Amino acid sequence: RKEVEQDPGPFNVPEGATVAFNCTYSNSASQSFFWYRQDCRKEPKLLMSVYSSGNEDGRFTAQLNRASQYISLLIRDSKLSDSATYLCVVNPYNQGGKLIFGQGTELSVKP
Amino acid sequence: ETGVTQTPRHLVMGMTNKKSLKCEQHLGHNAMYWYKQSAKKPLELMFVYSLEERVENNSVPSRFSPECPNSSHLFLHLHTLQPEDSALYLCASRRLGDNTEAFFGQGTRLTVV
Repeated sequence: RKEVEQDPGPFNVPEGATVAFNCTYSNSASQSFFWYRQDCRKEPKLLMSVYSSGNEDGRFTAQLNRASQYISLLIRDSKLSDSATYLCVVNPYNQGGKLIFGQGTELSVKP
Repeated sequence: ETGVTQTPRHLVMGMTNKKSLKCEQHLGHNAMYWYKQSAKKPLELMFVYSLEERVENNSVPSRFSPECPNSSHLFLHLHTLQPEDSALYLCASRRLGDNTEAFFGQGTRLTVV
């Protein structure tokens, strides 16, 4: 089983749609979780951290379910500029600061 | 600009060459990472340095040799590479602790000919 696994995508959605991405992780002792965004041929950049209580930043909502080892990202009212690859990232406990990336889910928002 | 600088941005090298990639951060971070990203593939963790000690060597071939002389600098020494090593090499740094994000450099796009 992969350490971090995401929906394969791609997701093709119209502007204004709501889209949800899922991510599962295998190490139950993982302690920190993030969503990153990567544009084509660019470096990944932090979109948001994922907290146990869930968190929201504008149109973006992240949820963590430790019991199911599952993380989600919800994007409401999609914009053309949201088109990118979304990466789920997990920091396993007591592994020297390792950060494990999922394979990414590609989102394409169309007019 | 994330505060993590990688040089060079682009590199073309022959299979018999020796070259080095450089990464620098002055963010006060104490962990640094090398990742490889091949076309249409996920990021692969290569090396992790935590408090200047290598804590991860993810079954990377010995033709890749990392060096972390201090907490602000990280190198990846390359020798006798293969064409399949052509990829985007990304450096990241982070302050160790819960919920602390990693900042990435812009990467070095490497082509081995």
